[in-house]
Amino acid sequence: AQSVTQLDSHVSVSEGTPVLLRCNYSSSYSPSLFWYVQHPNKGLQLLLKYTSAATLVKGINGFEAEFKKSETSFHLTKPSAHMSDAAEYFCVVSNSPLNTNAGKSTFGDGTTLTVKP
Amino acid sequence: DTGVSQNPRHKITKRGQNVTFRCDPISEHNRLYWYRQTLGQGPEFLTYFQNEAQLEKSRLLSDRFSAERPKGSFSTLEIQRTEQGDSAMYLCASSPGLQSYEQYFGPGTRLTVT
Repeated sequence: AQSVTQLDSHVSVSEGTPVLLRCNYSSSYSPSLFWYVQHPNKGLQLLLKYTSAATLVKGINGFEAEFKKSETSFHLTKPSAHMSDAAEYFCVVSNSPLNTNAGKSTFGDGTTLTVKP
Repeated sequence: DTGVSQNPRHKITKRGQNVTFRCDPISEHNRLYWYRQTLGQGPEFLTYFQNEAQLEKSRLLSDRFSAERPKGSFSTLEIQRTEQGDSAMYLCASSPGLQSYEQYFGPGTRLTVT
């Protein structure tokens, strides 16, 4: 069984300040973890992925996330928010390729990021 | 553009009618997924295919729902006897396959059942 919890449904930051979107996961196997972004009326776009290589993962648009197995967390960060970052963000967990259900993904409920000028 | 495409983009239907959606994945992607997303929620897994084999179906996928991927390329999702509760965005995604599970999403088909 796998699950993901996004700890904040809404996050509001000022432009130029750091962003932190929190995600905890549960997985019976070594997971693959992803962050996706969804802008209004746009499709889901992959921001970054963790697949058991480096624990600090860099993604597009200056975002990065750190996999912490001891804390079962995969928080998304960005040093300086931009107005264009305002969107819905989803944390996703998938089982490892060794699992028979490998590839099935579970999405969190999403975090809405608002960026104030 | 060689991304995932979905047709139609919007569908309005009356309760009780059947609807069919199509998804064309990225060429050579082995895996294809269907999700349903309602307002304010994350996508919910419906089913996925490895080539033409349907490997798993969610309990959300009632008997009125069926999905096919006959030749391991495009896929169709059919909903029979639609209900108002079926109104949602239906998303399709594809991924390269066994060693890589990042998914690339299409724009979705928005279904409205009146």
